[in-house]
Amino acid sequence: ETGVTQTPRHLVMGMTNKKSLKCEQHLGHNAMYWYKQSAKKPLELMFVYNFKEQTENNSVPSRFSPECPNSSHLFLHLHTLQPEDSALYLCASSQVSLSYNEQFFGPGTRLTVL
Amino acid sequence: DQQVKQNSPSLSVQEGRISILNCDYTNSMFDYFLWYKKYPAEGPTFLISISSIKDKNEDGRFTVFLNKSAKHLSLHIVPSQPGDSAVYFCAAKVSSNTGKLIFGQGTTLQVKP
Repeated sequence: ETGVTQTPRHLVMGMTNKKSLKCEQHLGHNAMYWYKQSAKKPLELMFVYNFKEQTENNSVPSRFSPECPNSSHLFLHLHTLQPEDSALYLCASSQVSLSYNEQFFGPGTRLTVL
Repeated sequence: DQQVKQNSPSLSVQEGRISILNCDYTNSMFDYFLWYKKYPAEGPTFLISISSIKDKNEDGRFTVFLNKSAKHLSLHIVPSQPGDSAVYFCAAKVSSNTGKLIFGQGTTLQVKP
């Protein structure tokens, strides 16, 4: 595997379900990100992890719970979601340093909440 | 309050002509700007970037121009090809070491053969 991978690619869940999204980066980067992309809206940053430590939480509801066990893996745990949470969830990674390097994105998980 | 704006939701150009995608921003603390390209069912892929200390960066058919006084940047694609048809996102980084990016809402480019 190369780059940034995400599983599953598609997920349909009910409002009472608990599920997790997984992201893995094979680039040796030190930062990972979760974004939400809803229709007709900009990419919304949800969480940032630098060296496994959460450095940003963009006022995300507690029904979204991130986990970063190591610098290569990032999870997004989902529980009691709402239909308006249906969106494309994108993971990204980058090597944060003094000279900026771009973020590399995974293919995303298309989430539908019924 | 949207700090990065792409006011044109879509753009259609003929193959071989120039495509110009525009982006405006409000935060003068942005120190780095990037353009990403996104095909359906795929994640965004990095295209080209520019530091705030420069006004132009060129990479093959792609050139990004930055006008700091106007807080405006643009992406020029010349000549445009049908494979360039995608959604283009402008993004900006605040001067910090978190790597956080602020994205625009995207412009859908269609290049007609």
